[in-house]
Amino acid sequence: GESVGLHLPTLSVQEGDNSIINCAYSNSASDYFIWYKQESGKGPQFIIDIRSNMDKRQGQRVTVLLNKTVKHLSLQIAATQPGDSAVYFCAETPNDYKLSFGAGTTVTVRA
Amino acid sequence: GAVVSQHPSWVICKSGTSVKIECRSLDFQATTMFWYRQFPKQSLMLMATSNEGSKATYEQGVEKDKFLINHASLTLSTLTVTSAHPEDSSFYICSARASGRAGQYFGPGTRLTVT
Repeated sequence: GESVGLHLPTLSVQEGDNSIINCAYSNSASDYFIWYKQESGKGPQFIIDIRSNMDKRQGQRVTVLLNKTVKHLSLQIAATQPGDSAVYFCAETPNDYKLSFGAGTTVTVRA
Repeated sequence: GAVVSQHPSWVICKSGTSVKIECRSLDFQATTMFWYRQFPKQSLMLMATSNEGSKATYEQGVEKDKFLINHASLTLSTLTVTSAHPEDSSFYICSARASGRAGQYFGPGTRLTVT
């Protein structure tokens, strides 16, 4: 079946720099996308979401960009902090019901 | 708001025994709950979807007789791993979906170790 995937499994970023995490999805019927952060031994934590009728959405220090033409989703974290170190997953759904998760990107913040 | 809890947070059991994991929505009614399994350094894999008062729908490859799911109320779903084996050792995570609200709210997960 179709699934969501991530381009890079790991990302190392200097504290204070901006981070960009990418995600490619293949289900053209997906219309709702979510980014989750998962710290070790914990459940996923909602970061930000976006619907397919938008191409950009901003939150606190985070921005999600959606390019439906190439089925690409990205998460930008501004001024990355040590607390941002975690695994980040994108998830997509065509019906706001079942979620399909990508493989995850491990972000490590260097002091 | 939208808090989901799981109990226990971790459990160790012997091979051949059964283990029950509870998932509760604390401050909202969950019309649908989802159960995921996550192996180390891997993504979340959906096991089953349960709607209150009806039978769970299992994903392909998930044994419904081994992973018993009960969603008896709008705030509680349980996953019972029957006749557990070491290969069932994993991180089990539930999520809940509220009526009229987008997305899913995830629990903190339950670490199951079968010896």
